[in-house]
Amino acid sequence: GENVEQHPSTLSVQEGDSAVIKCTYSDSASNYFPWYKQELGKGPQLIIDIRSNVGEKKDQRIAVTLNKTAKHFSLHITETQPEDSAVYFCAASIYGGTSYGKLTFGQGTILTVHP
Amino acid sequence: EAGVTQFPSHSVIEKGQTVTLRCDPISGHDNLYWYRRVMGKEIKFLLHFVKESKQDESGMPNNRFLAERTGGTYSTLKVQPAELEDSGVYFCASSQGQVLRDTEAFFGQGTRLTVV
Repeated sequence: GENVEQHPSTLSVQEGDSAVIKCTYSDSASNYFPWYKQELGKGPQLIIDIRSNVGEKKDQRIAVTLNKTAKHFSLHITETQPEDSAVYFCAASIYGGTSYGKLTFGQGTILTVHP
Repeated sequence: EAGVTQFPSHSVIEKGQTVTLRCDPISGHDNLYWYRRVMGKEIKFLLHFVKESKQDESGMPNNRFLAERTGGTYSTLKVQPAELEDSGVYFCASSQGQVLRDTEAFFGQGTRLTVV
């Protein structure tokens, strides 16, 4: 089955700096890669996603890149703010066939943004 | 619009007892998923309902776990009897469709289960 590795496990940055979180996946059939942000006491919330036919996607301060050949994808947050502090999870999924929607998650990254 | 709602938010039970977790998905979402995060590790898939049918239950750890989705609406996850290793946060998620454009899964806030 699919396996997703996420690094780093913790990341500490100063406000205004950039943060990068990287994930690798094992199943070349995976075609959907969402990123989730989990704040304390809340469930994971989708912040951005990318499909396998796209190499990069941006949404304001957040961007995701995908390298299908190398089977890795990354989350980039620019101009970080204290409210970006949270646990971030990458995930991979295969759409099509019988396993649609089943997400395989990375281990999570605790991001701390210091004012 | 109400999001995915889970009950209870916390549950502390003794080893050997039974616990039932409930999930109310977003209205109209056919897909309902259960996930679990144990001791700060990754969030792991448990099972997937399409309406009232189990589409994929490959992640269920053992037969002490029973999931149901009555009438294709809310779902329950029962653990009987509970063991210490069942402790963790159980998440429910729902999504609308079966194609890439309807992929976003909305998560509930989770139920933190502690077995002592």
